[in-house]
Amino acid sequence: EVQLVESGGGLVQPGGSLRLSCAASGFSFSSYWMSWVRQAPGKGLEWVANIKQDGSDRNYADSVKGRFIISRDNAKNSLHLQMNNLRDEDTAVYYCARGGFRMDVWGQGTTVTVSS
Amino acid sequence: EIAMTQSPATLSVSPGERAVLSCRASQSVSTNLVWFQHKPGQAPRLLIYGASTRATGIPARFSGSGSGTDFTLTISSLQSEDFAVYYCQHYVNWPLEEITFGGGTKVEI
Repeated sequence: EVQLVESGGGLVQPGGSLRLSCAASGFSFSSYWMSWVRQAPGKGLEWVANIKQDGSDRNYADSVKGRFIISRDNAKNSLHLQMNNLRDEDTAVYYCARGGFRMDVWGQGTTVTVSS
Repeated sequence: EIAMTQSPATLSVSPGERAVLSCRASQSVSTNLVWFQHKPGQAPRLLIYGASTRATGIPARFSGSGSGTDFTLTISSLQSEDFAVYYCQHYVNWPLEEITFGGGTKVEI
């Protein structure tokens, strides 16, 4: 079964850091672009970042550029999102998704709350 | 940056009725347009890509159309499981750094 499982969410103070992970299974992880998408409370979906199969190309939304870093470990079938200098507006459910633009498999999400 | 506007924000329909959802781009996106279904507490589900191609396993009652700036998602006969929020999303082919979702249309009873 094709599956993505996110982890690493939690409560963090403004200015703090958090690292999200996504464990992939059931498909050839190294063959796909991967993405992070988030949904703030009461809001719609917002693309955050994506990464090419070999990690050589990474793209970020303007709202997170310079603060978040997307990475992957193809040997461990895992995707990561290092989030630094977190702000209140980063509070959201963060989804891992397969694909760089046509995201056809999604995880259930992990919740990040930024609050003092 | 291209903005995506969905209308209406909320669509009230009855089971068995047809639902027509609209998505408009602020400038042409060709057919680089995707539709998702999202239910509370669940993972989003890819419905349509390339503006009109159904994703694997998506029932034929879902259809997409349009190109350029105006797009439509039609659900021909609403089933109870179709009540959800629907998002359109555009992308730039290369580089993959402009991916924008619309604000969503909530389809409710």
